[in-house]
Amino acid sequence: EVQLVESGGDLVQPGGSLRLSCAASGFSITNYWMHWVRQVPGKGLVWVSRIKDDGTYGDSADSVKGRFSISRDNAKNTLYLQMNSLRAEDTAVYYCARDQRRTFDIWGRGTMVTVSS
Amino acid sequence: DIVMTQSPDSLAVSLGERATINCKSSQSVLDSSNNENYLTWYQQKPGQPPKRLIYWASTRESGVPDRFSGSGSGTDFTLTISSLQAEDVAVYYCHQFYSVPLTFGGGTKVELK
Repeated sequence: EVQLVESGGDLVQPGGSLRLSCAASGFSITNYWMHWVRQVPGKGLVWVSRIKDDGTYGDSADSVKGRFSISRDNAKNTLYLQMNSLRAEDTAVYYCARDQRRTFDIWGRGTMVTVSS
Repeated sequence: DIVMTQSPDSLAVSLGERATINCKSSQSVLDSSNNENYLTWYQQKPGQPPKRLIYWASTRESGVPDRFSGSGSGTDFTLTISSLQAEDVAVYYCHQFYSVPLTFGGGTKVELK
């Protein structure tokens, strides 16, 4: 079965750090750009970051630029999101998603990040 | 940034009736090199991730009932549910993949009347 499973979400204090993981199964992420999208519970979807299939290029939304870093390990079939200098407004469910020709065809179930003292 | 504006914010439809959701982008999402609109519709039910229904504006995802259809080009798009079923109660989002930052509409909540 083709699936993505996120992990690493937690309760963290403002200014803290967290690393999210997204493990893929049923396919190789080597062939795909991969993305992170977040959603405050009860609110809309917001794109966070993306990374090229070979890991040589990535970019992010302005709201997280300089604080979040996307990476991947194709040998482990895993995507990552390193989140530093976390703020209360980063509190959200974080989804990873597979990019298939400029549309998200596969989504994980998400992992919850709560930033609070 | 491309702003995606959905309307209405919510709508209540009787079983078997038609539901129509509109999505307008502040700039065209049509790639003239291949005539593809990079516009996707997702359905999200409570506690679940989004599920792709329609991509490239009008291509239905495999396994999605044919009561769901997408239309439009350039800046104006529509998702139509031709005969609403109980399992269609959800929030629907449009999404542009034409340019970064990728953006989503605010969502349309579909409920039963």
